[in-house]
Amino acid sequence: QKEVEQDPGPLSVPEGAIVSLNCTYSNSAFQYFMWYRQYSRKGPELLMYTYSSGNKEDGRFTAQVDKSSKYISLFIRDSQPSDSATYLCAMSAGGGNKLTFGTGTQLKVEL
Amino acid sequence: GAGVSQSPSNKVTEKGKDVELRCDPISGHTALYWYRQRLGQGLEFLIYFQGNSAPDKSGLPSDRFSAERTGESVSTLTIQRTQQEDSAVYLCASSLDYGTPGFFGQGTRLTVV
Repeated sequence: QKEVEQDPGPLSVPEGAIVSLNCTYSNSAFQYFMWYRQYSRKGPELLMYTYSSGNKEDGRFTAQVDKSSKYISLFIRDSQPSDSATYLCAMSAGGGNKLTFGTGTQLKVEL
Repeated sequence: GAGVSQSPSNKVTEKGKDVELRCDPISGHTALYWYRQRLGQGLEFLIYFQGNSAPDKSGLPSDRFSAERTGESVSTLTIQRTQQEDSAVYLCASSLDYGTPGFFGQGTRLTVV
């Protein structure tokens, strides 16, 4: 079993929809949680960075962490075609960049 | 530079050859990381450099893989006697220090034929 599980998709939604992306993990030592966006043939770009449980909001993006369930989510409101990309969850125990990544969920937002 | 720069962007090599991949971090970033992204898989941590400390090599998959970094500047990842399973995108990231999130380069796409 992988330490971090993420549905690879693809997930296709209409423009304006609310998107929910999720990851589950097995290592209870993880305390730092990140979401990256990766466009085709580009490097990952950090979207959200949270510590421990709780919610964090940044514009149209909301990250949620539920450590008791070992479950994290990224919500995208008012989705746009430019949000079409692969979304990677990542996490670490010590706060550094030695991260364990999910495989990524491919999202397509259609006009 | 403005961001993390990696070269070459693409590399095709014959099985058994050695390859060298280069990463130019953001100026002033003391921490530098290498990851590998194979098709259909998540990014795998390879190695981490922090200033002048000994690197964390715990993610290197075999002794064919090695990396160097001089001070807080350029890093090179070397793969000796390449195998087809080494085909992947190799990504480099740098950050101000260990505790802050990193910025990734666009990667080097390595194809071993």
